[in-house]
Amino acid sequence: DAGITQSPRHKVTETGTPVTLRCHQTENHRYMYWYRQDPGHGLRLIHYSYGVKDTDKGEVSDGYSVSRSKTEDFLLTLESATSSQTSVYFCAIRTGEAGNEQFFGPGTRLTVL
Amino acid sequence: GQQLNQSPQSMFIQEGEDVSMNCTSSSIFNTWLWYKQDPGEGPVLLIALYKAGELTSNGRLTAQFGITRKDSFLNISASIPSDVGIYFCAGGYSGAGSYQLTFGKGTKLSVIP
Repeated sequence: DAGITQSPRHKVTETGTPVTLRCHQTENHRYMYWYRQDPGHGLRLIHYSYGVKDTDKGEVSDGYSVSRSKTEDFLLTLESATSSQTSVYFCAIRTGEAGNEQFFGPGTRLTVL
Repeated sequence: GQQLNQSPQSMFIQEGEDVSMNCTSSSIFNTWLWYKQDPGEGPVLLIALYKAGELTSNGRLTAQFGITRKDSFLNISASIPSDVGIYFCAGGYSGAGSYQLTFGKGTKLSVIP
């Protein structure tokens, strides 16, 4: 257990509404990541953070923004949700200074109607 | 972006049989990771490989880091029903401090009792 929680675990929203997903870690790791998982595409990186207020874009960042105001929390925001953003969203943390190992949270299932 | 080709996409095997799956890439990685995902949960790290040619075991699982650094293999011996799930490979390259992973699309394993 890498001490990662995500909230909410499930959300249904309507097109055009803002949505914020939260990832919380308890172990003070520097690197945090947001992925989306869709059938046929596997896991794709949306944004990542390498420290407080330090973030960068991933492969599929359009339509998403992130914020990290403290080490333990990494927020993903959909400013105006679209049906194409219906997906399962996973947060991950990178552990250790030498390795690339990432550990995942339980996921948030988001449905945009 | 980088792509990983993971095969097979799915497989049905009898309980007790051995399983092999692999990932290939057009790019070199200095890390290969293998994850397993059960329905409704986040991926769980099974094995991490950091050295070309490295062979690492975790119980009935054995993974190898290809000597070209462009491929990796996962073998499961004597499969059991709880091996059912989706297995993902991930390649990582620790260049410029980004520590990003590229994921394969997964191999769905079904075990027939």
